[in-house]
Amino acid sequence: AQKITQTQPGMFVQEKEAVTLDCTYDTSDPSYGLFWYKQPSSGEMIFLIYQGSYDQQNATEGRYSLNFQKARKSANLVISASQLGDSAMYFCAMREVVNSGGGADGLTFGKGTHLIIQP
Amino acid sequence: EAGVTQSPTHLIKTRGQQATLRCSPISGHTSVYWYQQALGLGLQFLLWYDEGEERNRGNFPPRFSGRQFPNYSSELNVNALELEDSALYLCASSLGVSSLSGNTIYFGEGSWLTVV
Repeated sequence: AQKITQTQPGMFVQEKEAVTLDCTYDTSDPSYGLFWYKQPSSGEMIFLIYQGSYDQQNATEGRYSLNFQKARKSANLVISASQLGDSAMYFCAMREVVNSGGGADGLTFGKGTHLIIQP
Repeated sequence: EAGVTQSPTHLIKTRGQQATLRCSPISGHTSVYWYQQALGLGLQFLLWYDEGEERNRGNFPPRFSGRQFPNYSSELNVNALELEDSALYLCASSLGVSSLSGNTIYFGEGSWLTVV
């Protein structure tokens, strides 16, 4: 089973509208972190926002916010007032505490959503 | 402060050759990760190093290997290159293994490897 599911392969949104990118995850680990990254066509993976499994409040970073619904295992990214420069691939990722030493492993990524902002 | 830096930006090799990719983490980060992003396959976890040790590896053949140096920089070696190794190779870094799952992982700009 996929650990990270992004159900929207592509989205077209009008400039200045809000955007919600969906992400659901699967884990039995009580301690995990959820991340969103933006990847423009240049290839660089840009960190946007982080949500910890024990965080009581939804994370926010400028125009980005994470709608964290733990019981539903959902971590949707909301971009307010979209801009042309927001056009890119967006990846949801999860980090679990998986190794026997108790440390955190690398990230597991979803397949991404290609967001295109139209003028 | 410098981010994660990778070199080379682009690399063209012929099948059967070896490729070496290099990565310098953010200052203070001891963990380095390598990911492969091949067209249509998404990001696949390759290797994770921390404090000079290999902590975990993804489902890749042994011809993918690497190491981490005392200054925490890392290199990824791919031997006996195959055409399907053509991909963007992303390096990332974070605070070390003793820290919690919430340590953000920051990526470099990647190295584009083309095997012809």
